Amino acid sequence: SQTIHQWPATLVQPVGSPLSLECTVEGTSNPNLYWYRQAAGRGLQLLFYSVGIGQISSEVPQNLSASRPQDRQFILSSKKLLLSDSGFYLCAWAGLTYEQYFGPGTRLTVT
Amino acid sequence: AQKVTQAQTEISVVEKEDVTLDCVYETRDTTYYLFWYKQPPSGELVFLIRRNSFDEQNEISGRYSWNFQKSTSSFNFTITASQVVDSAVYFCALTLFLGSQGNLIFGKGTKLSVKP
Repeated sequence: SQTIHQWPATLVQPVGSPLSLECTVEGTSNPNLYWYRQAAGRGLQLLFYSVGIGQISSEVPQNLSASRPQDRQFILSSKKLLLSDSGFYLCAWAGLTYEQYFGPGTRLTVT
Repeated sequence: AQKVTQAQTEISVVEKEDVTLDCVYETRDTTYYLFWYKQPPSGELVFLIRRNSFDEQNEISGRYSWNFQKSTSSFNFTITASQVVDSAVYFCALTLFLGSQGNLIFGKGTKLSVKP
């Protein structure tokens, strides 16, 4: 069966510091991968998606970036965090049937 | 452009009551998928159901049922005999068969509180 992992689970970082969040998927090949952010309200904002290694599409211009160095690995990064980057970050994968399966998420607080 | 509207921001019910969560969607495409997800307090989104635009048959799974009506562009979710464990935020979502890369358009969610 497929599983999706995210780490770290929680993170507190000062403004201006770098960020690296990692997401890995097991049990499937060539999945579509997604990064979402959920801010203090409940809405889900799609940040990036990837349909293959090295292929990244950005939905929202910001100081975040994403990379997919391996088929089942998706990384979210920032060189300098802003206060507005605080939120709950969710990674998801989707196969051929379009439903997305989400990881446990990372709660990021920028101080 | 596609849009999903969940007009109910918060709903509070007492245990054992039935509750319906509304979802209205907009798209000009004729082929699409609709979804419901549950987000309990732990935060992880849990997939509940997928329905494609060709299948208007209602579905029942235990205490959960879904009513898909293309004529009104609605995909409503009913919980029968609600329980405290049903307390969560519920999201409705839409994606197109073609050209969307499977990207989901989410509604803003409905927070359901079930009180004992």
